[in-house]
Amino acid sequence: DGGITQSPKYLFRKEGQNVTLSCEQNLNHDAMYWYRQDPGQGLRLIYYSQIVNDFQKGDIAEGYSVSREKKESFPLTVTSAQKNPTAFYLCASSIVSGTTEAFFGQGTRLTVV
Amino acid sequence: GQQVMQIPQYQHVQEGEDFTTYCNSSTTLSNIQWYKQRPGGHPVFLIQLVKSGEVKKQKRLTFQFGEAKKNSSLHITATQTTDVGTYFCAENTGTASKLTFGTGTRLQVTL
Repeated sequence: DGGITQSPKYLFRKEGQNVTLSCEQNLNHDAMYWYRQDPGQGLRLIYYSQIVNDFQKGDIAEGYSVSREKKESFPLTVTSAQKNPTAFYLCASSIVSGTTEAFFGQGTRLTVV
Repeated sequence: GQQVMQIPQYQHVQEGEDFTTYCNSSTTLSNIQWYKQRPGGHPVFLIQLVKSGEVKKQKRLTFQFGEAKKNSSLHITATQTTDVGTYFCAENTGTASKLTFGTGTRLQVTL
């Protein structure tokens, strides 16, 4: 069953703690992305990666970090430096040529208390 | 940076009525994609438009790309309750195929 898997679906953390969100894909896509969605708003790009061991900052990278050690995996760490981390986080993947539709995971809803 | 605005922000219709959402950019778009996000769900790709003036149809959905490639629209004919959700337009930019999303239009359909 091909697709993108994000885990966990819901995550609660105390303020000041780092937390890592998992994203795995078996679509053999080169590109992977992390987006943040706040209530009633659009999606904003945090980080993206076109190839293993390489990634670039998106529009709102401050307070976040990523790694891309394997093609299938693109974990996102929300650090204590992120001022307002409570949000819905969406991971996506795509090919990088042609009709490059993005395939999204189910999302992780992070709540920091 | 690039801003893609969508209007309206929210629309509530009775089942059977038509619905249209508009996507507007201050700069020329290289292409436009449309996604649908059901409540509590994740965005799902609907279509991509690339050519100036392009029109594509999917059953009750009609997608248009403006002649100047600065705007796009999604029209739903005779809405159904299954059409409920938020519709986003997005531009696919750059070699990394990054998506710049519009602000979204939330559609509510009641019987």
